[in-house]
Amino acid sequence: DTGVSQDPRHKITKRGQNVTFRCDPISEHNRLYWYRQTLGQGPEFLTYFQNEAQLEKSRLLSDRFSAERPKGSFSTLEIQRTEQGDSAMYLCASSRQGDWEKLFFGSGTQLSVL
Amino acid sequence: AQKITQTQPGMFVQEKEAVTLDCTYDTSDPSYGLFWYKQPSSGEMIFLIYQGSYDQQNATEGRYSLNFQKARKSANLVISASQLGDSAMYFCAMREANRDDKIIFGKGTRLHILP
Repeated sequence: DTGVSQDPRHKITKRGQNVTFRCDPISEHNRLYWYRQTLGQGPEFLTYFQNEAQLEKSRLLSDRFSAERPKGSFSTLEIQRTEQGDSAMYLCASSRQGDWEKLFFGSGTQLSVL
Repeated sequence: AQKITQTQPGMFVQEKEAVTLDCTYDTSDPSYGLFWYKQPSSGEMIFLIYQGSYDQQNATEGRYSLNFQKARKSANLVISASQLGDSAMYFCAMREANRDDKIIFGKGTRLHILP
């Protein structure tokens, strides 16, 4: 059990560029969540997967955001045409069926849009 | 409407003292769960404790206990014998049974443990 890993840890990009983040959950966890956290706030739910199926998307997830989990293992979160308001920490979490209350979080990807 | 309220943006506590972090919540769902997470400066969210709305006893995990007062819709976290390593952000969170896929978080309380 190596925990939830996220890559990259930091990303600096120019406004209008596309960025993609990756999350590798704990291997036997079938649920995977994406959250966004801005300074001084708690994490806000973006979307979640059960295996490869994306079951819920927040209204926060505009059309510029897309998330995938093609084989039910790792997940990617892509932001197209980034805006300065997208600057935030993007957190990934996973949980195991039958014990899903306990979310295990990664260390996050800090996105800065210049 | 705000679901989770943490009224203490920051707290300073002397090492070895007990500390209580406040959390109130709002829900009309009779079945729900309450959580506390710790976020150190490294950024990783660490699960601390969980309380189900139907649990008869307050949850405890080592030095952490959750003071669950259902009628008051309160779920305070109590840390006994605080340590320097307890310095971090602490988030209260809730999930509702009819929305069991989403956990919503409060704004957090920054705890500083003083030597």
